[in-house]
Amino acid sequence: SQKIEQNSEALNIQEGKTATLTCNYTNYSPAYLQWYRQDPGRGPVFLLLIRENEKEKRKERLKVTFDTTLKQSLFHITASQPADSATYLCALLSGGSYIPTFGRGTSLIVHP
Amino acid sequence: DAGVIQSPRHEVTEMGQEVTLRCKPISGHNSLFWYRQTMMRGLELLIYFNNNVPIDDSGMPEDRFSAKMPNASFSTLKIQPSEPRDSAVYFCASSTFGETQYFGPGTRLLVL
Repeated sequence: SQKIEQNSEALNIQEGKTATLTCNYTNYSPAYLQWYRQDPGRGPVFLLLIRENEKEKRKERLKVTFDTTLKQSLFHITASQPADSATYLCALLSGGSYIPTFGRGTSLIVHP
Repeated sequence: DAGVIQSPRHEVTEMGQEVTLRCKPISGHNSLFWYRQTMMRGLELLIYFNNNVPIDDSGMPEDRFSAKMPNASFSTLKIQPSEPRDSAVYFCASSTFGETQYFGPGTRLLVL
């Protein structure tokens, strides 16, 4: 069955460092991969989308990579700030499908 | 735009009661999704509408759950009768052609 894995343990880092979150998947051939941010008590907010033919996407301090051979996406936040503390979810969509499948998310805690 | 609007934001009810959750999608969006989020299972898709028509309801847990979208600006998710295991945060999301989902603030449901 299709499976998306994100680290269930919280990632604790120091302010100013680069945070790297991982999204692994199996039995899936996604055409798109998305990353969302979710703050406590709020709905997820879209951050970035990367397509299967793209290796890397950047937006300000955010960078996403997509390796379809390894079946993995990495999400990087450079020069992290305490305000970046949140849960980050990855979501996969197959080609022609409008229904994303979400991972469980990884909590990021940036310490001042 | 006000974004996706959900009501109520919080609902506390007793087992056996009917619960109705409401959602107003972003104007112009043609897709609407209902999700349920729990600590144990993460974010699960319940049902997906496209142009007001239910396309995929395979995630609806059982007959106690029903959803309607009578027009492009309104959708309801009804649970009748409610059970304690239905306690969760229910999110509505809308999108245009499915690429980026815009989530509402969620309804936190507690069934006693």
